[in-house]
Amino acid sequence: QVQLVESGGGVVPPGRSLRLSCAASGFSFSLYAMHWVRQAPGKGLEWVAVISKDAANKNYADSVKGRFTISRDDSNKTLSVQMDSLRPEDTAVYYCARERGGSHAYFDYWGHGTLVTVSS
Amino acid sequence: DIQMTQSPSTLSASVGDRVTITCRASQSIDNSLAWYQQKPGKAPKLLIYKASSLESGVPSRFSGTGSGTEFTLTISSLQPDDFATYFCQQFNTYWTFGQGTKVEIK
Repeated sequence: QVQLVESGGGVVPPGRSLRLSCAASGFSFSLYAMHWVRQAPGKGLEWVAVISKDAANKNYADSVKGRFTISRDDSNKTLSVQMDSLRPEDTAVYYCARERGGSHAYFDYWGHGTLVTVSS
Repeated sequence: DIQMTQSPSTLSASVGDRVTITCRASQSIDNSLAWYQQKPGKAPKLLIYKASSLESGVPSRFSGTGSGTEFTLTISSLQPDDFATYFCQQFNTYWTFGQGTKVEIK
């Protein structure tokens, strides 16, 4: 069955970096666009970034543009996001999600998330 | 950017009630709308896609309607497992979520 497992979260001071990973299994990872979505404590969902199935296209929310970099390793079925210049407002649970086949679609599978806390 | 506005923010209901949640887009998104259910500490779960298509395995008491800018999620007879927060999402232009509707026990 489809599984997405995030890792890499933790407590980091403002201005520092963190790299999150998402290990995929149970499906042909290379055939799907993948996303990062975050949820601040007690808040709603915010889309963060997307990478196309061939990694040729990447897009970011304005709130993270220039600071976050999404990438994928199809050989290891892993999605990653490099988060630099972290701010307190980046504190959130970060989910990876699979976009259902086709272009610009909804998310049919989500991981359980990893918590990032940006605090001194 | 397309903004998504859900109402109400909180809804108190009893088991067996018919529940309706509304989602409004700031501009037309055709039928590019999905609904998700989220329980505390858990990942969101896809319920409805393309405004009215029921995801496999989701009970038929859940239904979605709408197109353009106005959408609704209806639970025909609320069950104990349905107390959760529900989010709409547009995927017409990038991806945006509504702020969520918490369905709580009356």
